[in-house]
Amino acid sequence: NAGVTQTPKFQVLKTGQSMTLQCAQDMNHNSMYWYRQDPGMGLRLIYYSASEGTTDKGEVPNGYNVSRLNKREFSLRLESAAPSQTSVYFCASREQGGADTQYFGPGTRLTVL
Amino acid sequence: EDQVTQSPEALRLQEGESSSLNCSYTVSGLRGLFWYRQDPGKGPEFLFTLYSAGEEKEKERLKATLTKKESFLHITAPKPEDSATYLCAVQGGSEKLVFGKGMKLTVNP
Repeated sequence: NAGVTQTPKFQVLKTGQSMTLQCAQDMNHNSMYWYRQDPGMGLRLIYYSASEGTTDKGEVPNGYNVSRLNKREFSLRLESAAPSQTSVYFCASREQGGADTQYFGPGTRLTVL
Repeated sequence: EDQVTQSPEALRLQEGESSSLNCSYTVSGLRGLFWYRQDPGKGPEFLFTLYSAGEEKEKERLKATLTKKESFLHITAPKPEDSATYLCAVQGGSEKLVFGKGMKLTVNP
């Protein structure tokens, strides 16, 4: 099992450009999450999907959109990137409801110039 | 609002010098408290889940404990390879985890 995979690993954008971060999991998990991690801020939830076909906003959703393509894949889109979106982005997945553990991918380091 | 505070923010130990990391939390209806380890440039790696006060879990040199207000991650006789950032998170009544800001541990040989 690869677990949670993310592409790309690194990306540099110019202000106003768009891009999609891809995430896939092979653990047959129902729930998937997108976080951003900034120095001194900890991990903050952007969006999550409790099951295929549903998405909900987290703590910092502005400037982002998501798509739960199927049970395996959950993508994060930046329509018009801003320097404030420079961050490290992590995808995670979790089996089902309750207090089951979230498992994280390796991250995408995004720089917006 | 669920909150997690980790202290200290950074800790430097000598190899073999045991210590504890603190995670204080407020949450409506704790469903789980999670500890993760994160190495530079990597994603968080799961360590422990604690579900109720009084619970303890161990893994090698690490032992996690839980009370109604705090969790401690005890590190016994640490080695340089234990150097990492340790993250604490709680889950209350929703799908979401709330994370603390993390604690950077450095163990010198």
